[in-house]
Amino acid sequence: QITLKESGPTLVKPTQTLTLTCTLSGFSLITSGVAVGWIRQPPGQALEWVALIYWDNDKRYNPSLNSRLTITKDTSKNQVVLTMTNMDPVDTATYYCAHTTVTTTAFDIWGQGTMVTVSS
Amino acid sequence: DIQLTQSPSFLSASVGDRVTITCRASQGISSYLAWYQQKPGKAPNLLIYVASTLQSGVPSRFSGTGSGTEFTLTISSLQPEDFATYYCQQFDSYPRTFGQGTKVEIK
Repeated sequence: QITLKESGPTLVKPTQTLTLTCTLSGFSLITSGVAVGWIRQPPGQALEWVALIYWDNDKRYNPSLNSRLTITKDTSKNQVVLTMTNMDPVDTATYYCAHTTVTTTAFDIWGQGTMVTVSS
Repeated sequence: DIQLTQSPSFLSASVGDRVTITCRASQGISSYLAWYQQKPGKAPNLLIYVASTLQSGVPSRFSGTGSGTEFTLTISSLQPEDFATYYCQQFDSYPRTFGQGTKVEIK
């Protein structure tokens, strides 16, 4: 059974760096064709695609956030880490990680999400 | 970036109604479109991928059609558990943009 679980701080101050971890279970980013993405959703608003990392370490970022983002994988811990610098109150959102493959291309399994508030 | 525009943004319907939601892309995306259902406080749930393929476990009352720039999600007979917000997402190019959502509420 594939599951993903997000973890990280619930509150960060403006200008700080956010680090979120997605812990994978039931699959590995060693497997060919697999990828993990991050998606966020501000309260009451639509979903926004943030970043994606593939099994072969190909990485893709939302250009609107690109300069602030880093996505990495730690296959020994079966984790994906998203780092976002210079946090701002507009970055307040629920952050989800999700599983996808090059076959389906869509996000077929999602984590429960973690709410991050940016406030001083 | 490819923009996805969903219509309507809000829909009021009754149990048993046939419901259709449209997603229009700002440029052609072949069949690289997915549909999700999201209930309050929950993560989205994949319904349809590559425009018309039903995700495993999703009821057959959900169906998707379209290619190029126009896509539809149809619920053939709305059930109480279908009242939710629906999003489309394109997988043709990066960034993998979402539509703004369609909220389906009880009439």
